[in-house]
Amino acid sequence: GQQLNQSPQSMFIQEGEDVSMNCTSSSIFNTWLWYKQDPGEGPVLLIALYKAGELTSNGRLTAQFGITRKDSFLNISASIPSDVGIYFCAGQLGGKLIFGQGTELSVKP
Amino acid sequence: NAGVTQTPKFRVLKTGQSMTLLCAQDMNHEYMYWYRQDPGMGLRLIHYSVGEGTTAKGEVPDGYNVSRLKKQNFLLGLESAAPSQTSVYFCASSYRFDLWVASRQETQYFGPGTRLLVL
Repeated sequence: GQQLNQSPQSMFIQEGEDVSMNCTSSSIFNTWLWYKQDPGEGPVLLIALYKAGELTSNGRLTAQFGITRKDSFLNISASIPSDVGIYFCAGQLGGKLIFGQGTELSVKP
Repeated sequence: NAGVTQTPKFRVLKTGQSMTLLCAQDMNHEYMYWYRQDPGMGLRLIHYSVGEGTTAKGEVPDGYNVSRLKKQNFLLGLESAAPSQTSVYFCASSYRFDLWVASRQETQYFGPGTRLLVL
C-alpha cells in the first residue's frame, strides 16, 4: 500500500532554533498537508499545498510541495516553547489521506 | 459552529463487549472519516463515507462497522472488542472534492479524539 516516510522521528532543540522536517513517498499525491497535534487533541491543519513546486508560509511556518509530487518539507523558524507537539505530514489522493509517522518536537526554553 | 465533535472522550471495555463511537459535524461536509492512531504509526483510515447513506472501507477496516444515516453524523461500531483495538480514534470531515482537480475543499478537519482501552 501507499506509505509516507517522515523524518526525523523526534527532535530536541533550543528555543530560537530553526526546525526542518520532511516526508517522502513512493506515490504521487495531489495535495500535501501538514498537521500539528497537541497532547490529548486531534490534529490541526497548519499548511495545505495544492500544486507541485508550491511554497506556502503561515507565520513562522513554511512548507513546500515537491516538484515530483512525492515529497514535502516543513520548516519552522525561530522556534518557541508552544511549538512543542507532534507534526504529521499527509498526502491526499482521491479523498483519502495517507499520514506519515509523525515528528515529535521538543523545545527547550 | 462546533466543528467536529466526538463522544465519548474515553471508554474502557472488556474483551467481547460492543460499543458505538459517535462523530458529529456542523460544517455541512459531504465526506467523513474514521481513523485510529497508534504510537509510532501515525493515523490509519478505518472507514470513510462520501455522503449520507454510503460507506467504504479504508486501510484497516476489520473488526469495525460504520453507518452514515444522517449527513452530519458518522458512527463507528465495534461488535466484539479486542485488546488490539485499544487505540485513540479520530473522526474527520471534509467538503466534496473534485476527483481531477485539487482544491481547498479537500482539506480534512479532525475531532478531539476518543481514547479506547480494551482489557
